[in-house]
Amino acid sequence: GDSVVQTEGQVLPSEGDSLIVNCSYETTQYPSLFWYVQYPGEGPQLHLKAMKANDKGRNKGFEAMYRKETTSFHLEKDSVQESDSAVYFCAPYNAGNMLTFGGGTRLMVKP
Amino acid sequence: ETGVTQTPRHLVMGMTNKKSLKCEQHLGHNAMYWYKQSAKKPLELMFVYSLEERVENNSVPSRFSPECPNSSHLFLHLHTLQPEDSALYLCASSQERRYSYEQYFGPGTRLTVT
Repeated sequence: GDSVVQTEGQVLPSEGDSLIVNCSYETTQYPSLFWYVQYPGEGPQLHLKAMKANDKGRNKGFEAMYRKETTSFHLEKDSVQESDSAVYFCAPYNAGNMLTFGGGTRLMVKP
Repeated sequence: ETGVTQTPRHLVMGMTNKKSLKCEQHLGHNAMYWYKQSAKKPLELMFVYSLEERVENNSVPSRFSPECPNSSHLFLHLHTLQPEDSALYLCASSQERRYSYEQYFGPGTRLTVT
């Protein structure tokens, strides 16, 4: 089955710092790749997506590049804000199968 | 507001109680999902319904019993739960009939089993 490994636990940058949250996936097919975000008190929501190799997903200043050669989809932002504090889930998807969510990375931005 | 509502938002129940969680989606979607979110397994798929037919039962104990009377409503009936069942239970829906990458989640029901 599909599997995904992302940066574990918490990340604690200060406001204005740059951010990288790592995501590596393993699937038997050629997946589409997604990041979901879960803000406090809410359910997860789709944050950004890349449907094929070399696509770059973008949303609210975040970016992630679909790198097939390294099977990675790292989430990056140049300058984080306190309002970005949330839990982020990397999720590869193959058509006809379930979404596979990573273990989640809690981002807590210090003001 | 995602168009998916869940009630109650918080529930405390004893191990011998019977309770039900309710989910309603206002998006006209065809598929609905139950997930369990806990510290040990952050997003664990439990059940999937497509057009009111259960298409996935992810080795969930029989003390959890889902019901989907129509494409807008989903229930999770709970009985004789264990303390380790304490978690956030999330409902989601999607446009596609079966499995979709774009799922819309409700805010969840925080369940505590005492």
